Amino acid sequence: DTAVSQTPKYLVTQMGNDKSIKCEQNLGHDTMYWYKQDSKKFLKIMFSYNNKELIINETVPNRFSPKSPDKAHLNLHINSLELGDSAVYFCASSQDLGGNTIYFGEGSWLTVV
Amino acid sequence: GDSVTQMEGPVTLSEEAFLTINCTYTATGYPSLFWYVQYPGEGLQLLLKATKADDKGSNKGFEATYRKETTSFHLEKGSVQVSDSAVYFCALSDRGGGNKLTFGTGTQLKVEL
Repeated sequence: DTAVSQTPKYLVTQMGNDKSIKCEQNLGHDTMYWYKQDSKKFLKIMFSYNNKELIINETVPNRFSPKSPDKAHLNLHINSLELGDSAVYFCASSQDLGGNTIYFGEGSWLTVV
Repeated sequence: GDSVTQMEGPVTLSEEAFLTINCTYTATGYPSLFWYVQYPGEGLQLLLKATKADDKGSNKGFEATYRKETTSFHLEKGSVQVSDSAVYFCALSDRGGGNKLTFGTGTQLKVEL
């Protein structure tokens, strides 16, 4: 069973479109995250949620809107996609905010053309 | 703020060679330290971790020791295999920072026959 699963794995879309990436974890964790990996493979946190409450928002453009309907899901919606949004987006989760190991999904490869 | 510095790649080794990937960190608190691995076209997998000074993390023949005095967490393996070819990321999680992972830039390892 996949612990952190995200869909779609690959997404190619045109500039200006709106798209969503879904994420679900079956680990019973309280905390979920979105990370972005750019073309140079640099990884940086975008958001974190704990029990559906936003904890971290790392100066991400407001075209990016995370939504957590329950603590097992954290979806990422992106409005008005730009070329620079092309990246790999990783969902992740951890037991809580107390320094626990963070487990990552397999990534969603987004290409904006 | 927190930061992680790891050696630039790519690192190219022959099979059965000894591997060291250097990682040093800067943190205000007492972070947990991690090595993650990303195989080609795949997501991030936790390789090993250490949560306090002098702890040694180990997995699949890889080891790293948390050295507080030198603020380092170097990754080592005694005999690499072609299947170890991947990008390796050193990361820290500062408990006071909402369990956010701060990553190094990644080091690509290529192992040749």
